[in-house]
Amino acid sequence: GAVVSQHPSRVICKSGTSVKIECRSLDFQATTMFWYRQFPKQSLMLMATSNEGSKATYEQGVEKDKFLINHASLTLSTLTVTSAHPEDSSFYICSADPEGGYNEQFFGPGTRLTVL
Amino acid sequence: DAKTTQPNSMESNEEEPVHLPCNHSTISGTDYIHWYRQLPSQGPEYVIHGLTSNVNNRMASLAIAEDRKSSTLILHRATLRDAAVYYCIPTKTGANNLFFGTGTRLTVIP
Repeated sequence: GAVVSQHPSRVICKSGTSVKIECRSLDFQATTMFWYRQFPKQSLMLMATSNEGSKATYEQGVEKDKFLINHASLTLSTLTVTSAHPEDSSFYICSADPEGGYNEQFFGPGTRLTVL
Repeated sequence: DAKTTQPNSMESNEEEPVHLPCNHSTISGTDYIHWYRQLPSQGPEYVIHGLTSNVNNRMASLAIAEDRKSSTLILHRATLRDAAVYYCIPTKTGANNLFFGTGTRLTVIP
């Protein structure tokens, strides 16, 4: 089956620093990837749609200047949390939509971000 | 996007069937019904999807009401590995973004 990886799996950083999270589709190409955020005991919230070769589409209420998304190739999307603060601490999950008529998305294992 | 209503939690004994309901009364005629599940501390995984007819795959069965306002995910024999949060998600034809509701937390009792 299709595999999506995320790196790092967990990261702890100081307030004010920036953190980059990578999402890779390992055995398929994906024009579109998605980024979600999940707070403890809550559901996943779609943050943005990452489009290869073009700008990301952000959901309402998500600051595009704070959560920078780059989708430079058909197998890699990155999410950079800029000037992270404790309230940005969360579980960040990406998913990829394979080319070729799949009816499902494949999710990464998630990245747990803790901002001190 | 169609709203969904699912029980917050359900319990099942191991090896017994589980029926997980979902109400999606505002679904439009061309929306698919997708089910995903999320095991603890992992990303979600696809379970099954359907449009109008009942569907079966190796993981589960999906029973869709005739008026499409509700559906039921059926796990035929629950195992401990099936303990997860199950989400039903109506999705528009041609759209690929998923909006997760609150889901049902399934606990499987040994």
